[in-house]
Amino acid sequence: DAGITQSPRHKVTETGTPVTLRCHQTENHRYMYWYRQDPGHGLRLIHYSYGVKDTDKGEVSDGYSVSRSKTEDFLLTLESATSSQTSVYFCAISLSGETQYFGPGTRLLVL
Amino acid sequence: GIQVEQSPPDLILQEGANSTLRCNFSDSVNNLQWFHQNPWGQLINLFYIPSGTKQNGRLSATTVATERYSLLYISSSQTTDSGVYFCAVEPVSGNTPLVFGKGTRLSVIA
Repeated sequence: DAGITQSPRHKVTETGTPVTLRCHQTENHRYMYWYRQDPGHGLRLIHYSYGVKDTDKGEVSDGYSVSRSKTEDFLLTLESATSSQTSVYFCAISLSGETQYFGPGTRLLVL
Repeated sequence: GIQVEQSPPDLILQEGANSTLRCNFSDSVNNLQWFHQNPWGQLINLFYIPSGTKQNGRLSATTVATERYSLLYISSSQTTDSGVYFCAVEPVSGNTPLVFGKGTRLSVIA
């Protein structure tokens, strides 16, 4: 299995607070992705990175920002959390942009 | 954007039965992958299969890119096959790495 960890694994926060989720990989893969999973919607791409400091938006990027200052870490920030951002967040990595490997997920509840 | 339709949405099988899951997509793709999400939420990559046929144990997949569909075959199903199966595609046009279908939920009963 690819070495991908996500932290925290569970978080409860209040509306309006900033939240940062971390994805860490030990595989030296170039590509990293953040998805959210919601009932009835499957997985939807939030942001992705194709290299250090190189990022791009996915289909549901509003309200989220990302940063990648080194190969192994990809951070997802909710600047001001809203209840609609309650979800399960998955990080994924890919060596060449083909096969993707997923982390264990982070459950976020925004009250 | 590209549409990814999976069928059936739900499937219940007796242990030992075979099944076929289908993924239709509305535009040309560079990349197609099948994933299994187990009941604990873990997502496992099953196949990277933009075209052709691949086999891995009891599972096999076929993608006919010219006709815009892919099939996932599960033979001699086991209770551990339960979960949700997702198809995901990367469209040739556009700037989206992967677009996921809504999945097929499989329950295998002993």
